[in-house]
Amino acid sequence: GESVGLHLPTLSVQEGDNSIINCAYSNSASDYFIWYKQESGKGPQFIIDIRSNMDKRQGQRVTVLLNKTVKHLSLQIAATQPGDSAVYFCAETLYNFNKFYFGSGTKLNVKP
Amino acid sequence: DGGITQSPKYLFRKEGQNVTLSCEQNLNHDAMYWYRQDPGQGLRLIYYSQIVNDFQKGDIAEGYSVSREKKESFPLTVTSAQKNPTAFYLCASQGTTNEKLFFGSGTQLSVL
Repeated sequence: GESVGLHLPTLSVQEGDNSIINCAYSNSASDYFIWYKQESGKGPQFIIDIRSNMDKRQGQRVTVLLNKTVKHLSLQIAATQPGDSAVYFCAETLYNFNKFYFGSGTKLNVKP
Repeated sequence: DGGITQSPKYLFRKEGQNVTLSCEQNLNHDAMYWYRQDPGQGLRLIYYSQIVNDFQKGDIAEGYSVSREKKESFPLTVTSAQKNPTAFYLCASQGTTNEKLFFGSGTQLSVL
């Protein structure tokens, strides 16, 4: 899920398959993480968040995994649907800090 | 989107002109943020405000100005000093520190 300049990494999956989107975060002291979904020309939408005292959190069809040892965050989407096609990016921040740091995102392409 | 309204959706700037992007929220959030998004890159923080009549520079504040006269409103002015203003601008708000950001639908600014 890291930036490669102007070209976002792309993940193509078949409808109904599970998707895994990865993010390598930068600051080992970060303690709050968020996944956002952004459709073309729209603002980011919140998907799920996790704090550093957890290593897994589940929502509706989505699961976030946090591995603090290697500074890695992943988003799993179960039974991926065409409506899931979008850019997904992670954000990290420190407790009581006003700045979020955002990854450049991964484009998810769901094939019907 | 989620109680945050950005306008206009599209904006064109002539050389030497200042333009103002509007951001209004009805979520009763104290903190508001302005981000710039360029293709294939993560969001970069321009300015943020934690409370009315107070704001701080973000990572790329040069060529931009803001005001926070009302809790609901956080307009961003892109001045003629900003030499590369073409980007997608996103406004966000936050209810309390350490919570997720809510984003508006964005304004695409282009140079004529």
